[in-house]
Amino acid sequence: DTAVSQTPKYLVTQMGNDKSIKCEQNLGHDTMYWYKQDSKKFLKIMFSYNNKELIINETVPNRFSPKSPDKAHLNLHINSLELGDSAVYFCASSQTGGGDTQYFGPGTRLTVL
Amino acid sequence: DAKTTQPPSMDCAEGRAANLPCNHSTISGNEYVYWYRQIHSQGPQYIIHGLKNNETNEMASLIITEDRKSSTLILPHATLRDTAVYYCIVRVAVWTPGNMLTFGGGTRLMVKP
Repeated sequence: DTAVSQTPKYLVTQMGNDKSIKCEQNLGHDTMYWYKQDSKKFLKIMFSYNNKELIINETVPNRFSPKSPDKAHLNLHINSLELGDSAVYFCASSQTGGGDTQYFGPGTRLTVL
Repeated sequence: DAKTTQPPSMDCAEGRAANLPCNHSTISGNEYVYWYRQIHSQGPQYIIHGLKNNETNEMASLIITEDRKSSTLILPHATLRDTAVYYCIVRVAVWTPGNMLTFGGGTRLMVKP
């Protein structure tokens, strides 16, 4: 069974569209994250979400919004997509008190045309 | 998080030990040393972490100097599948608001036949 899964794996869309990326973890973890990896391969944290507490990296535009229907899911919604949003987005999860080791999903490659 | 310094790239012969260094001279007393790796086109993968004692698991060994200002990740018998970018990160081992996992540039390890 896949521990952290993301859908879709690839997403190609036009500028100005709104899109969502889904993330699910079956590890029973209580904290989930979204990361962005740009073309230069730097991984940057975007959000972390724990017990309904959302921590936002201040550099993330408010067009990005995470939504968590339950502890096992943290979806990423992106409004009014821009060319600069093209990147690979990774979801991750961890368990508080478990050394905070994070487990990552396979990534979603978003291409904005 | 304390900052780390890693060489940008290293080569290793297949079957030999790969020793990846990391400097973290400003590490605090409650900060752990974590290692992750990212194989091409995959999500980052947790390898190992430690506080001050040497650690070993099925993937690797972590050697931390007595003053904790540097560490070495050892892959005892590198294979071609170990070719990846290896990230050394120092942080407290508990999720708290603002305690984000911060990835630097890492070391690109190339295992050669």
